[in-house]
Amino acid sequence: EVQLVESGGGLVQPGGSLRLSCAASGFTFSSYGMHWVRQAPGKGLVWVSHIISDGSRTKYADSVRGRFTISRDNAKSTLYLQMDSLRAEDTALYCCATFGMATPTWGQGTLVTVSS
Amino acid sequence: DIVMTQSPDSLAVSLGERATINCKSSQSVLSNSNNKNYLAWYQQKPGQPPKLLIYWASTRESGVPDRFSGSGSGTDFTLTISSLQAEDVAVYYCQQYYNTPLTFGGGTKVEIK
Repeated sequence: EVQLVESGGGLVQPGGSLRLSCAASGFTFSSYGMHWVRQAPGKGLVWVSHIISDGSRTKYADSVRGRFTISRDNAKSTLYLQMDSLRAEDTALYCCATFGMATPTWGQGTLVTVSS
Repeated sequence: DIVMTQSPDSLAVSLGERATINCKSSQSVLSNSNNKNYLAWYQQKPGQPPKLLIYWASTRESGVPDRFSGSGSGTDFTLTISSLQAEDVAVYYCQQYYNTPLTFGGGTKVEIK
């Protein structure tokens, strides 16, 4: 079964850091680009970042560029999102997703709350 | 970036009646190489992550009731719920995955009239 499972969310103070993980199983992780998407409470879905299959190229939304870093470990079939200098507006459910297979696949998400 | 515009913002439909949601992309999401539309529809209920309903514009995800259908090509797409059930009350989003950044419609809230 193809599966993505996020972890690492939690409560953090403004200016703090968190590292999210997305564990993949059931498919050849190293063959596919991966995305992070977030949804703030009561708001719509917003793309955050993308990394290609071998990790050599990345893209970011303007709102997180310079603060967030996407990376992957293909040996561990795991995607990461390092989030630094967190702001209240980064509070959201963060989901990993991939769209390169026959069917789009999303995880259930991990909740990040930035608050003092 | 491809802009996705959904309409209406909200929709109230009687139980058993048809609900129709429209989605327009600012440029075509139809690939010339495989003739597929890179367009998905999601359902989201409060407190839950989005659930994939339709991909490739018209392919129903496994386990999704057949009252949900997707149609359209190029820049204009439609999600239809043929006979609205109480459990279909949710917000629905369209999304293009033709290129990065992924972009989403603003959502359509479906309620019971």
